[in-house]
Amino acid sequence: QSVLTQPPSVSGAPGQRVTISCTGSSSNIGTGYDVHWYQQLPGTAPKLLIYANNNRPSGVPDRFSGSKSGTSASLAISGLQADDEADYYCQSSDSTLSGSRVFGGGTKLTVL
Amino acid sequence: QVQLQQWGTGLLKPSETLSLTCAVYGGSFSAYSWSWIRQPPGKGLEWIGEINHSGSTSYNPSLKSRVTISVDTSKNQFSLKVTSVIAADTAIYYCARERAWYEDYWGPGTLVTVSS
Repeated sequence: QSVLTQPPSVSGAPGQRVTISCTGSSSNIGTGYDVHWYQQLPGTAPKLLIYANNNRPSGVPDRFSGSKSGTSASLAISGLQADDEADYYCQSSDSTLSGSRVFGGGTKLTVL
Repeated sequence: QVQLQQWGTGLLKPSETLSLTCAVYGGSFSAYSWSWIRQPPGKGLEWIGEINHSGSTSYNPSLKSRVTISVDTSKNQFSLKVTSVIAADTAIYYCARERAWYEDYWGPGTLVTVSS
């Protein structure tokens, strides 16, 4: 059972927009800790996609965007492409775990 | 460009000690903290802990009693030891650079299998 809750799977057709939710609590997202997002293509290491809620590292397309509100955060992917098919993880920190970083369980994005 | 290269024992028996090392190439080693994260086969990510250049550490409370992370700044390397391993420690172990509580550069991962 992950501290942060994500839907196990989402899907969308090429060109569509999808969102992935990340639900936490008052001890993590709700207490002000930032949320970060990673993309993991099959057989590879995770790649930083969004940091500090809504910031993209250099090289990440602006089709990817993040937001945070209350005890939840979301990752939006617009203009879906076939190579967006991957697992996506949210990450934050948790005050009940001495500030340890925590991950969501991951969401498998399928491009139909 | 920052690159992380990792190595260590891939097959262990229960009760043995897992040992991995990560070397950092490029960038400033002393300006950052360095993390270990693991991923059991087919499952999600779990943060293990981190260390800064001066040796200050922070560990996941669920693993703290068995985990030690150390650093060798002369070689730009950091290491992970997990004692008394069990089958549930079977995972891909990643080293990564920590920046403001997120990881921006990751190693390729090392599969560690615990089996009798």
